[in-house]
Amino acid sequence: EAQVTQNPRYLITVTGKKLTVTCSQNMNHEYMSWYRQDPGLGLRQIYYSMNVEVTDKGDVPEGYKVSRKEKRNFPLILESPSPNQTSLYFCASSHGTAYTGELFFGEGSRLTVL
Amino acid sequence: AQKVTQAQTEISVVEKEDVTLDCVYETRDTTYYLFWYKQPPSGELVFLIRRNSFDEQNEISGRYSWNFQKSTSSFNFTITASQVVDSAVYFCALSALYNAGNMLTFGGGTRLMVKP
Repeated sequence: EAQVTQNPRYLITVTGKKLTVTCSQNMNHEYMSWYRQDPGLGLRQIYYSMNVEVTDKGDVPEGYKVSRKEKRNFPLILESPSPNQTSLYFCASSHGTAYTGELFFGEGSRLTVL
Repeated sequence: AQKVTQAQTEISVVEKEDVTLDCVYETRDTTYYLFWYKQPPSGELVFLIRRNSFDEQNEISGRYSWNFQKSTSSFNFTITASQVVDSAVYFCALSALYNAGNMLTFGGGTRLMVKP
């Protein structure tokens, strides 16, 4: 079954404790992206990757890091989480780019930073 | 910069009513794609439709229809004879070529509540 898998789905952590949200897709998609969803703001792009070893900033990259060492994986790293990073995070992938392609989303990861 | 505005934050209708969700976009590019996604209460995001800037034909899929008007920079979504299962948050999104196709900009979403 074609899917984008994120882990963990729910996480409560404390300020400053490094965490990683993993994302994996099994569709051999070139494009992967991370979004955060906040009430009234819709989804805002954090980082995206056009292919292995190619990553770039989206609208709200501050406080986040990513890596793309393998085509299927695109982890999101919060080196020193802060309460304003409490949000619902979505990983997405697409064949080609986000320009024309239908984005396939993971189920979301709800993160709370105390 | 590109921007998508969904002015209706919340709409409540009674089952079987027709409802239109508005979407207004801004972009400097003449080549772009518009999308609608649905987020039901379970939280996942479901792709509904993609429309490119050169195709202004309206589209109908069952009870769903989309009205794309470049003159008013709008891409509105109508649900005919709404059902309780249509209750969800709906997002309009835009991707423009000048961004090298790397960014999908979402509107703030419209929460639709369909009451029995």
